Amino acid sequence: KAGVTQTPRYLIKTRGQQVTLSCSPISGHRSVSWYQQTPGQGLQFLFEYFSETQRNKGNFPGRFSGRQFSNSRSEMNVSTLELGDSALYLCASSLGGVSSEKLFFGSGTQLSVL
Amino acid sequence: GENVEQHPSTLSVQEGDSAVIKCTYSDSASNYFPWYKQELGKGPQLIIDIRSNVGEKKDQRIAVTLNKTAKHFSLHITETQPEDSAVYFCAASRDRDDKIIFGKGTRLHILP
Repeated sequence: KAGVTQTPRYLIKTRGQQVTLSCSPISGHRSVSWYQQTPGQGLQFLFEYFSETQRNKGNFPGRFSGRQFSNSRSEMNVSTLELGDSALYLCASSLGGVSSEKLFFGSGTQLSVL
Repeated sequence: GENVEQHPSTLSVQEGDSAVIKCTYSDSASNYFPWYKQELGKGPQLIIDIRSNVGEKKDQRIAVTLNKTAKHFSLHITETQPEDSAVYFCAASRDRDDKIIFGKGTRLHILP
């Protein structure tokens, strides 16, 4: 069974631009969640989608948004990029959700904002 | 809001010795506590988890203990090996909350 796939692996953008990251979950998984990882803050929960609906979100500004398609693939968008958005963005998939079950993570997209 | 604190941020142990990483959580309703291991260039991978109705769980060289009263849980790795070198994250969540809170991570170095 293929694992969680994230594309692209690396991205370089400049301040003010926007970016879209993609995540393909494990086949059969309906939940996709997104995380921001930085050296100082560790892993921070961005939001979770289940069956195309956002079920919960973390404490991030509205510049961070996402969506999920009918095939469970998910995209995350960051608009008006800031230097502080430089981070590793991870997505994870699971059968039922982020609470109380195993998450399967992709290898992440490393975003650098110049 | 909910918070998970993890200590230490960095830990170096001699190969063959034991390593202990500790986490505390603030939400008393949390009932699921997973531990993830992240190797260089990879995403985190679940290594063990525990639910609030259990005080301890063991899987070969890895064990997790939970003290609900103190809102504290710990990861224990015995007979450490070079491949145990990685970043470890604890986390807490509760049923039907659709949210998970991670600690800031512990970088574990196994010294030869």
